[in-house]
Amino acid sequence: AQKVTQAQTEISVVEKEDVTLDCVYETRDTTYYLFWYKQPPSGELVFLIRRNSFDEQNEISGRYSWNFQKSTSSFNFTITASQVVDSAVYFCALSDLNQAGTALIFGKGTTLSVSS
Amino acid sequence: AAGVIQSPRHLIKEKRETATLKCYPIPRHDTVYWYQQGPGQDPQFLISFYEKMQSDKGSIPDRFSAQQFSDYHSELNMSSLELGDSALYFCASSTRTDTQYFGPGTRLTVL
Repeated sequence: AQKVTQAQTEISVVEKEDVTLDCVYETRDTTYYLFWYKQPPSGELVFLIRRNSFDEQNEISGRYSWNFQKSTSSFNFTITASQVVDSAVYFCALSDLNQAGTALIFGKGTTLSVSS
Repeated sequence: AAGVIQSPRHLIKEKRETATLKCYPIPRHDTVYWYQQGPGQDPQFLISFYEKMQSDKGSIPDRFSAQQFSDYHSELNMSSLELGDSALYFCASSTRTDTQYFGPGTRLTVL
């Protein structure tokens, strides 16, 4: 069975602090996708990043960076110099790579609060 | 860039009534997904369609049905509504196994 665990339910930081959101996944599939989505207070789900299971290269996009380690089944997300606009619920998700229409399996989400 | 369109954005119904939610995928996307998100919960997968055929099915109640039409838009029909059906309903679209992009959601309130 597939499962995504986000152990941190809530994190509070002050602006300009760095923060890392943890994600651990379980799957028997050898090929899969991992995702991060952001859900701001307005409610929409915003796609942030997708990684393939066969590509362990870390990625940086502005203040955001992602660390994918198959050896520990982790896909962690770091925000550098956090800002108030980063306040949101962040979901890590997993899906099969091979079948069209396969569901996303979400973690429970981490609520990040950034204060000024 | 065009996004997923969902209508209506808000819907209020009484118990035992029927509701229909509509989803218009991103142009050229052939796969549509429906998710339900309760307050403080993660999105839960309901059902998906690829090229107008049901592809995957999650914990969708028997009272709910869905289909994808020839123009790739999809409708989620919900009957005999219960208080517990109050939630945010998301539609997402993709090309086959590619990234799922979500619509803004329909907030359903059952009174």
